[in-house]
Amino acid sequence: EAGVTQFPSHSVIEKGQTVTLRCDPISGHDNLYWYRRVMGKEIKFLLHFVKESKQDESGMPNNRFLAERTGGTYSTLKVQPAELEDSGVYFCASSLITTDEQFFGPGTRLTVL
Amino acid sequence: GEDVEQSLFLSVREGDSSVINCTYTDSSSTYLYWYKQEPGAGLQLLTYIFSNMDMKQDQRLTVLLNKKDKHLSLRIADTQTGDSAIYFCAAALYFGNEKLTFGTGTRLTIIP
Repeated sequence: EAGVTQFPSHSVIEKGQTVTLRCDPISGHDNLYWYRRVMGKEIKFLLHFVKESKQDESGMPNNRFLAERTGGTYSTLKVQPAELEDSGVYFCASSLITTDEQFFGPGTRLTVL
Repeated sequence: GEDVEQSLFLSVREGDSSVINCTYTDSSSTYLYWYKQEPGAGLQLLTYIFSNMDMKQDQRLTVLLNKKDKHLSLRIADTQTGDSAIYFCAAALYFGNEKLTFGTGTRLTIIP
């Protein structure tokens, strides 16, 4: 069974540009989470989808971040326009509704210059 | 909100025991987790403990929870080179369907 995949693995963009990160959860996992780790600090929660609905988006830093999960399968996280402080590693995780374990992807390392 | 803290680095000789510590602030946290991140990989759930437990053992891993002091530790017995990784402590109010609050991660280095 394939795990959680994320694309791209690395992205380097200039301040002011737009970047879209993609996450493909494990098939059948209705829960999908986005997290971010900035500059060796703690991993912070961004938002949580249940199927295509946003269950909790309390961690989204500002309106430059837009997350979607059309059809309840893969999810995208768009940053527009990107700022220097958006640099970090963005993790996606998925889980079944009925279980405990969040399965994490390898992350996308975003560098904003 | 919840705040989880860990020390950033730990070095241990191969064959010794490693003890990674974590403190949290929200006494309502019901589930506490340990995740491992190897280079280039995602986070792997190692183990978790319910807040009504004091200890949980799983092969070389022992988790101790002091709920009064809000202190969690992960002990790895007979540390091997393959244990080199970043270890994250995380807390959640509920089991499943719930966001996790992570610490900064502790980078464990094994000295040959």
